[in-house]
Amino acid sequence: RKEVEQDPGPFNVPEGATVAFNCTYSNSASQSFFWYRQDCRKEPKLLMSVYSSGNEDGRFTAQLNRASQYISLLIRDSKLSDSATYLCVVHGGNAGNMLTFGGGTRLMVKP
Amino acid sequence: DAGVIQSPRHEVTEMGQEVTLRCKPISGHNSLFWYRQTMMRGLELLIYFNNNVPIDDSGMPEDRFSAKMPNASFSTLKIQPSEPRDSAVYFCASRLLNEQYFGPGTRLTVT
Repeated sequence: RKEVEQDPGPFNVPEGATVAFNCTYSNSASQSFFWYRQDCRKEPKLLMSVYSSGNEDGRFTAQLNRASQYISLLIRDSKLSDSATYLCVVHGGNAGNMLTFGGGTRLMVKP
Repeated sequence: DAGVIQSPRHEVTEMGQEVTLRCKPISGHNSLFWYRQTMMRGLELLIYFNNNVPIDDSGMPEDRFSAKMPNASFSTLKIQPSEPRDSAVYFCASRLLNEQYFGPGTRLTVT
């Protein structure tokens, strides 16, 4: 079983839709959680950290459920420019001080 | 800050040649990571340094790969001799505390 698992997608949604991604992690000792975004042929970029209480940044909301060991990302009012691959990232646990990346979920927002 | 700087951005070489990839981390960041990304295997951690010292190189594929960090502002990843299966995008990333930032990557093609 992979340490961090994501549905690879693609998720095809129309502009303006709300879309949610989930991610599960295997190690309960994991300490910090993040969402990264990667555009085609570009590097991964930090989108947001995920806090236990949940956090919001504009149209993006991240939630963490430690009991069930999953992380979610909700995108409201999706834009064409949101089309990218979203990587779920976990810090700590088996990986020690390193980040463990999920395989990513591809989102395609259509006009 | 200019962010993480990598060079070259693209490298095309013939099988058997030596390849050297370079990275300049963000000033003040004390951890540096080398990753490789392919469609088949996703993002893989090769090696990471903390305060210029290699901490975990378990992801380095084989002896043909070596990495150095002679000072806090420079690191190299060398492949000698290169093989076609080394073709990938190689990312360098640096981190301070929890936030990790990637360089633009080097796209390596070995023919």
